Amino acid sequence: GENVEQHPSTLSVQEGDSAVIKCTYSDSASNYFPWYKQELGKRPQLIIDIRSNVGEKKDQRIAVTLNKTAKHFSLHITETQPEDSAVYFCAANFETSYDKVIFGPGTSLSVIP
Amino acid sequence: NAGVTQTPKFQVLKTGQSMTLQCAQDMNHNSMYWYRQDPGMGLRLIYYSASEGTTDKGEVPNGYNVSRLNKREFSLRLESAAPSQTSVYFCASSDSSSGNTIYFGEGSWLTVV
Repeated sequence: GENVEQHPSTLSVQEGDSAVIKCTYSDSASNYFPWYKQELGKRPQLIIDIRSNVGEKKDQRIAVTLNKTAKHFSLHITETQPEDSAVYFCAANFETSYDKVIFGPGTSLSVIP
Repeated sequence: NAGVTQTPKFQVLKTGQSMTLQCAQDMNHNSMYWYRQDPGMGLRLIYYSASEGTTDKGEVPNGYNVSRLNKREFSLRLESAAPSQTSVYFCASSDSSSGNTIYFGEGSWLTVV
């Protein structure tokens, strides 16, 4: 079935350390992989996305890597700061449609000052 | 430019009652979505609409109906509410012109007692 798995469910790091969140998806035809950040009580917002023709993408302290063969992708946050504390969701599109986007269950990241 | 607006923000229903969640976007997006968010379950896709006049089932469509009234509006109806439908509901929209980024509304907190 159509599924996105995400690990770990919770992650605690010291300020300044790196955080890595990993996701796997079930459909080999998926070609769009966004990451969203949701702060407590707020709506999810896009932080970075990657498409299947690219293996890695960076935006300042955030990077995403994609391994299409293994059907997994990862979010890397370097030099973490307390304001990075939030729930992070990975997602993937299904049925080769950008419209059917399914999310993973989320990772609650805590950055300890 | 309000983005995605959904109403009501909070609602308490009795089991068996019906209600409609309203959603409108002013970004001229073709695609619209309804997700529900439960603790530890992430964002689950209920229904989506790739364009005006079309709707498709997502991961958890049972107990819901949707209407894509026009390009701007996408409503979600609960015909006979059940306690299992207690959740936070997010309406969202996206479009290829915006890089397929999904923009979420602020959420509707629904409690069924």
